[in-house]
Amino acid sequence: GAVVSQHPSRVICKSGTSVKIECRSLDFQATTMFWYRQFPKQSLMLMATSNEGSKATYEQGVEKDKFLINHASLTLSTLTVTSAHPEDSSFYICSAPLWGHEVPNYGYTFGSGTRLTVV
Amino acid sequence: TQLLEQSPQFLSIQEGENLTVYCNSSSVFSSLQWYRQEPGEGPVLLVTVVTGGEVKKLKRLTFQFGDARKDSSLHITAAQPGDTGLYLCAGEVWGAQKLVFGQGTRLTINP
Repeated sequence: GAVVSQHPSRVICKSGTSVKIECRSLDFQATTMFWYRQFPKQSLMLMATSNEGSKATYEQGVEKDKFLINHASLTLSTLTVTSAHPEDSSFYICSAPLWGHEVPNYGYTFGSGTRLTVV
Repeated sequence: TQLLEQSPQFLSIQEGENLTVYCNSSSVFSSLQWYRQEPGEGPVLLVTVVTGGEVKKLKRLTFQFGDARKDSSLHITAAQPGDTGLYLCAGEVWGAQKLVFGQGTRLTINP
């Protein structure tokens, strides 16, 4: 239970185009989801918190106009990388909190990630 | 900005040996979580420690939360090749629904 499904797993796009990444909670509702970015050999950096029915909260230094987040339902959050450039190439991961769901631990469940390559 | 210093960042040992990974911060966290991440996948939760001084065991893995809730450790006994992977500690920020991740420890267990 408490699975987060992320699609696509890999995407290659041309510089200047936009790419949408979807994150779905399969068997639970998630009023809050989180989007992370991970560079090769590095840890996860939180980009933004996605809130159902309201605006996303972005971390310092993350361009909200470049990384558009929409959380229109309790089971779906999307991240759109607009006007992508090669430096946006990275591994993007979404997550949702497990509170009230899985035991014995509470924590966060993560999607399987999206490898974005901008050429 | 809350930071988590994780060490060592790389560790390569022989099968059967013991090891400890450390996670330290000057900040207090409401919980400390440990994840394992395989290449090309998202992190998978191993354990959450919440109470200062708490110790949790998961088979050969022992997790400890410092009394002051600023640090944590992961100890693996009799490491096996199947333990190879990236281990991440993550602190949950007080009053906010978000995690701060350590740099990760890339562990390699040689047969």
